[in-house]
Amino acid sequence: AQKITQTQPGMFVQEKEAVTLDCTYDTSDPSYGLFWYKQPSSGEMIFLIYQGSYDQQNATEGRYSLNFQKARKSANLVISASQLGDSAMYFCAMRDFSGYSTLTFGKGTMLLVSP
Amino acid sequence: ETGVTQSPTHLIKTRGQQVTLRCSSQSGHNTVSWYQQALGQGPQFIFQYYREEENGRGNFPPRFSGLQFPNYSSELNVNALELDDSALYLCASSLGAGPNLETQYFGPGTRLLVL
Repeated sequence: AQKITQTQPGMFVQEKEAVTLDCTYDTSDPSYGLFWYKQPSSGEMIFLIYQGSYDQQNATEGRYSLNFQKARKSANLVISASQLGDSAMYFCAMRDFSGYSTLTFGKGTMLLVSP
Repeated sequence: ETGVTQSPTHLIKTRGQQVTLRCSSQSGHNTVSWYQQALGQGPQFIFQYYREEENGRGNFPPRFSGLQFPNYSSELNVNALELDDSALYLCASSLGAGPNLETQYFGPGTRLLVL
């Protein structure tokens, strides 16, 4: 069974600073994908970034980067130059490449960006 | 490109009633997955439809059922509503299935309150 653990219920950061949101995962599948989604108070889950288990390089998308450490089974999200609009819940999720390939989510981390 | 839409946005029902939630997938996508997100939790997979067939199901009772139509839009039906069914219901659309399932894009969700 797959499991995602997000140990930080909440994080505070000042505008323009960088912040790291932690995510560890557990799976016995050799092939898997890791995702980060942002969920503002409106409820919509917004896709941010994806990392495949066999990708050699860490994924980056604009201000978002994924610090993928396979041996430690961690996939931390780094947001550089935080903006007020980054305040939201952030979810780490994993899919395997067998079966239905559905997403297994963590419990999320609430990020608050202050001016 | 049209994103994922869901209706209604909010719904209040009483125990024992039935509810139908609707989802229009993103243009070009043929897979729809439904998730239930209880307050303070990450989304939990309900089921997935690929080309009008149920392609996978999570740990939800049979009173949760669904449909996918030829245009790939989808419905989630819940019979005999219980208080614990109160949650945000998220629909996600994507292309492909199984190991070929691509990134899932979510709609804004339907907030269901069962009294």
